[in-house]
Amino acid sequence: TQLLKQSPQFLSIQEGENLTVYCNSSSVFSSLQWYRQEPGEGPVLLVTVVTGGEVKKLKRLTFQFGDARKDSSLHITAAQPGDTGLYLCAGRGDKLIFGTGTRLQVFP
Amino acid sequence: SAVISQKPSRDICQRGTSLTIQCQVDSQVTMMFWYRQQPGQSLTLIATANQGSEATYESGFVIDKFPISRPNLTFSTLTVSNMSPEDSSIYLCSVEAGRIYGYTFGSGTRLTVV
Repeated sequence: TQLLKQSPQFLSIQEGENLTVYCNSSSVFSSLQWYRQEPGEGPVLLVTVVTGGEVKKLKRLTFQFGDARKDSSLHITAAQPGDTGLYLCAGRGDKLIFGTGTRLQVFP
Repeated sequence: SAVISQKPSRDICQRGTSLTIQCQVDSQVTMMFWYRQQPGQSLTLIATANQGSEATYESGFVIDKFPISRPNLTFSTLTVSNMSPEDSSIYLCSVEAGRIYGYTFGSGTRLTVV
């Protein structure tokens, strides 16, 4: 069974702080995706990383795919209250497997 | 990307009853996916629904408990049968928008079993 473990599970920070969320697995994935989910909504795709070592930036968010394509990280610079939500990594093999999730709360 | 309409958005049901959740997509898709999200947790894949064939269930999920219909390329239903409080979860349907574009999700059905 493929398992994607995210850390930390919960994160509560002040506006303006930086943070990093980690997504680790013992399995290799053809690609890895990051989603954000807000209450009452389904997850929404943030980014897809495909190549080992790949780094993608989306405004204040930086995503990295590990060289071995088993792990990934999400770094947020100068977090804002609008970044609050559940962040989910998801590994793509023959199906999409979601990580355990990181719940982020950013206080003004 | 595809737009998914899912209903009902929420329901409170008595134990022992069944609830059918509907998922309508605005374009034709080969596969539709059903996920469960237990309170405060991540998403777990229940099954993959293909048009014209039986759904493929993941380990821990069985057809008798979660029967799925897929009558055409834009519609699917998931039934939660003989419900117990442990079935209280958010149920989401999803379609793939492409390997790079990711999956699109419905807004979910929040089920509470009392």
